[in-house]
Amino acid sequence: EVQVVESGGGLVQPGGSLRLSCAASGFTFSSHSMNWVRQAPGKGLEWISYISSYSSTIHYADSVKGRFTISRDNAKNSLYLQMNSLRAEDTAVYYCAGGWSFESWGQGTLVTVSS
Amino acid sequence: DVVMTQSPLSLPVTLGQPASISCRSSQSLVYSDGNTYLNWFQQGPGQSPRRLIYKVSNRDSGVPDRFSGSGSGTNFTLKISRVEAEDVGVYYCMQGTHWPPWTFGQGTKVEIK
Repeated sequence: EVQVVESGGGLVQPGGSLRLSCAASGFTFSSHSMNWVRQAPGKGLEWISYISSYSSTIHYADSVKGRFTISRDNAKNSLYLQMNSLRAEDTAVYYCAGGWSFESWGQGTLVTVSS
Repeated sequence: DVVMTQSPLSLPVTLGQPASISCRSSQSLVYSDGNTYLNWFQQGPGQSPRRLIYKVSNRDSGVPDRFSGSGSGTNFTLKISRVEAEDVGVYYCMQGTHWPPWTFGQGTKVEIK
């Protein structure tokens, strides 16, 4: 069974940092690109970052460029999102979405940026 | 960036009746390989998104056949032939042709009358 499980969310002060993780199983992780998508409370879905299967291609949404860093460890079947200089508007549920066509989603992890 | 516009944003439906959601893109979603990368996602209450349809009309495994996708170019439609209680939630279209960024529609909330 294909499964992706996010972790690492929590409450952080503005300007702070947080690292999200996504553990994948049930598919050949190293063969698939991965994405992070977020959803602010009561709002729609926003794609924020993409990484190709061997990390050769990385993209970010303008809203997080320069502050967030996506990475992966294929040996550990894991995806990461390092989030720095966090702002109140980064408050959201963060989803790991597997595959170039977003076929597999985790349950999400909530990040709250507040003082 | 490609803008995805859904309508309606709210869709009250009667159980057993059909429902239809429109999604329009600000430019054609036909890719250079001839495919059209338009997906539909369902997000039930308190749940994470789930892909229902990929490349306009291909249902994902386990998706009931009452869901169907159609369209071409810039105009796309998700249809539910007979709405069931479990279909309540928010539906999103998403384009994967002109990236980055991948862009979603605003979402359409389906509820039972």
